[in-house]
Amino acid sequence: DVKVTQSSRYLVKRTGEKVFLECVQDMDHENMFWYRQDPGLGLRLIYFSYDVKMKEKGDIPEGYSVSREKKERFSLILESASTNQTSMYLCASSFLIPSPQETQYFGPGTRLLVL
Amino acid sequence: AQSVTQLDSHVSVSEGTPVLLRCNYSSSYSPSLFWYVQHPNKGLQLLLKYTSAATLVKGINGFEAEFKKSETSFHLTKPSAHMSDAAEYFCVVSELWGTYKYIFGTGTRLKVLA
Repeated sequence: DVKVTQSSRYLVKRTGEKVFLECVQDMDHENMFWYRQDPGLGLRLIYFSYDVKMKEKGDIPEGYSVSREKKERFSLILESASTNQTSMYLCASSFLIPSPQETQYFGPGTRLLVL
Repeated sequence: AQSVTQLDSHVSVSEGTPVLLRCNYSSSYSPSLFWYVQHPNKGLQLLLKYTSAATLVKGINGFEAEFKKSETSFHLTKPSAHMSDAAEYFCVVSELWGTYKYIFGTGTRLKVLA
């Protein structure tokens, strides 16, 4: 079974803090993704990466950055957390096959509260 | 750009009755469509996906979906709801952007009444 793990299930941070969310996958997937999930909005893509040290902006990258130093690990960074970044963050991974049918596999999510 | 619309934000059914979760898509070419389920405080799990091999797609846990091009729909159904089906369901279309990325619907929360 594909396993995507996220470092924390729940996090509470203060406004202005630097926050790191970590994601690790064990299936040698090339693609990795970060989403945020908000009620009534579904999931929105923040950033994705299709190779080590490669990254692409998604739909809502403002206020976030990412790091991918190793193939299995993809980090989401909030440089200066703000209350509007309180959300559920989901990581996903998939193979780099140029097919629209490629399945993404999701981690359990990190629920972040910024006070 | 492609998009999906989930027509109901909440659906309630009684245990043992059929489930229908509606999804319409917008696509300029033949889309790839998925249904994912999210149980409370869990990540997303793939239920099924449409790969153009067959218009009726069977998934896990007794769910199925039918691709109807003429109606641009991909509704999710199950003949008999179980309490364990209570969850949020997302319809997804895949779009080419560098690699293939997902466009999510806003979700339908299914409630199953005893």
